[in-house]
Amino acid sequence: EDQVTQSPEALRLQEGESSSLNCSYTVSGLRGLFWYRQDPGKGPEFLFTLYSAGEEKEKERLKATLTKKESFLHITAPKPEDSATYLCAVQANLRIIFGKGTRLHILP
Amino acid sequence: EAGVTQFPSHSVIEKGQTVTLRCDPISGHDNLYWYRRVMGKEIKFLLHFVKESKQDESGMPNNRFLAERTGGTYSTLKVQPAELEDSGVYFCASGPTFTEAFFGQGTRLTVV
Repeated sequence: EDQVTQSPEALRLQEGESSSLNCSYTVSGLRGLFWYRQDPGKGPEFLFTLYSAGEEKEKERLKATLTKKESFLHITAPKPEDSATYLCAVQANLRIIFGKGTRLHILP
Repeated sequence: EAGVTQFPSHSVIEKGQTVTLRCDPISGHDNLYWYRRVMGKEIKFLLHFVKESKQDESGMPNNRFLAERTGGTYSTLKVQPAELEDSGVYFCASGPTFTEAFFGQGTRLTVV
């Protein structure tokens, strides 16, 4: 069964304290892996798409990487405005499967 | 450029009533998706339109749910009759390709 698991469920960091969020997946025929940011009361905001193992993408303080079994979202020197829920999703055939997300809280 | 717009933002209805959710995608996006998030669970796929055609509706929970997309523009999702377990946040997303989707703010549906 296709599955996406994100860890940790929640993470509290001090401002400037770098860390990584994990997304592990088991799908047949991965066609793409997506990272989204979701703020309370809003829809997910697209961040990155990764297609193949070894691929990396960066945006400001965020960097996403992909292996054959998992993806990491690295957050470097985070700021309080980076606080949000980060969602990972994978495309298996024509369907997109989401993980439950990681709630990230950056303390000033 | 306007984003994906969903109406209403909140809806509270009684069990057995009918509710219709609307989604206005970004202009020019052929792909339109409906998703649902039940409290405590992950976002789950409901269905996918390409223009006015249903590409994949395998995620629709049962035949109480009916989705339409008129003329390949806006889409509606009707729940009739609503049950308690239908409560959740319904998201619509649109994209120029399947691999890039932009989400609306969601409609929070509460069935009491």
